[in-house]
Amino acid sequence: QPQLVESGGAVVKPGGSLRLSCAASAITFSDHYMSWIRQAPGKGLECVSYISDSTNYLYYAESVKGRFTISRDNAKSSLYLQMDSLRAEDSAVYFCVVGGGPYYFDHWGRGTLVTVSS
Amino acid sequence: EVVLTQSPSTLSLSPGERAALSCRASQSVDTNLAWYQQKPGQAPRLVMFDASHRATGIPARFSGRGSETDFTLTISSLEPEDFAVYYCQQHTNWLLSFGGGTKIEIK
Repeated sequence: QPQLVESGGAVVKPGGSLRLSCAASAITFSDHYMSWIRQAPGKGLECVSYISDSTNYLYYAESVKGRFTISRDNAKSSLYLQMDSLRAEDSAVYFCVVGGGPYYFDHWGRGTLVTVSS
Repeated sequence: EVVLTQSPSTLSLSPGERAALSCRASQSVDTNLAWYQQKPGQAPRLVMFDASHRATGIPARFSGRGSETDFTLTISSLEPEDFAVYYCQQHTNWLLSFGGGTKIEIK
């Protein structure tokens, strides 16, 4: 069973930056699209960004375009999300997920909490 | 963008009853639709993919059907562990989207 462990969530002020990381194991990481999906408190699910297996395709939700950057290191089986110019509405649990693009999401991490507040 | 509308938003049922959840797409998604179950404080879990295929470990009381714009997730006889929020999600194009969710609560 694949394991996905997110880290990097924190409380940050509006306008600040954070870098989320996700360490994957028990999976051939380089074979899979990977995504970041977020869930604001009491709300639904939003796919924030995904990256193709070979990194040649990147997707960003309109709500984060120009502020967030997704990347991956296949040699380290790791996924990242650089979050800049953070806003209060970015406050959410961020899940690292296997899937994206033309694929469903079949493995999820437990999530890391990002809180943007002054 | 494909908009997914789930109904009802809340379903109040008793254990042993049948649950039928609807997901409607604003345009055809073929059978590129998945369902997820989420319990409080947990990550979502894949339940169904490609509209009608159960994910690994999902019991046979769960079934899915539909194509193009109309989809249904059915739980034939609710067990206590099935009370949760269910989301549908389409992956027919590169602009992924989720429905707003249906909560199954204990009546």
